[in-house]
Amino acid sequence: AQSVTQLDSHVSVSEGTPVLLRCNYSSSYSPSLFWYVQHPNKGLQLLLKYTSAATLVKGINGFEAEFKKSETSFHLTKPSAHMSDAAEYFCVVRRIYNQGGKLIFGQGTELSVKP
Amino acid sequence: EAGVAQSPRYKIIEKRQSVAFWCNPISGHATLYWYQQILGQGPKLLIQFQNNGVVDDSQLPKDRFSAERLKGVDSTLKIQPAKLEDSAVYLCASSLTSGGRLRDTDTQYFGPGTRLTVL
Repeated sequence: AQSVTQLDSHVSVSEGTPVLLRCNYSSSYSPSLFWYVQHPNKGLQLLLKYTSAATLVKGINGFEAEFKKSETSFHLTKPSAHMSDAAEYFCVVRRIYNQGGKLIFGQGTELSVKP
Repeated sequence: EAGVAQSPRYKIIEKRQSVAFWCNPISGHATLYWYQQILGQGPKLLIQFQNNGVVDDSQLPKDRFSAERLKGVDSTLKIQPAKLEDSAVYLCASSLTSGGRLRDTDTQYFGPGTRLTVL
């Protein structure tokens, strides 16, 4: 079975400092992995996705993530946090060999950005 | 391009009452998903439609939840009767395709959700 574990339920950083949101995955097959962001009272927005091409994936708003098979990790990073980055972030794995492409979400990490 | 539309945005009901949610996917998207997001958790898939057929409803509590997608466009999700534990945000998403091998057209786009409170 495929699953993701987000290692921190809440992360707090100061504006201008780096962001690291941690995610480990479990998958019997080569996974497709995603990061989604959810701002309060808004829908989920895709930040980036990994589909077995380049292991370093660049997304929107300066975010990037690195797929590390040996560590079964897909951590999300950003060099410099902005106040507008404050939101809930979800690490997601997509079921493979399933005609529906079902997404399996982690529990989420709430990112707070202090001025 | 218009996004996924959902209504209502908020709904408060008492337990044992009925409620219905509506979703209008992005034009041309064949696949539609309903997710349930309980506070403090990630979204969980309830049901997936491919056009007007059900692809996956394994996580749908069928004794009280039902969903339909008439004509392969709009969809409604109903709860009857509601329980306290149904309090959650119900998210609708759509994608152009949903094949076994991930393609750009499989990207799921989410609506703003309906926040349901059951008292």
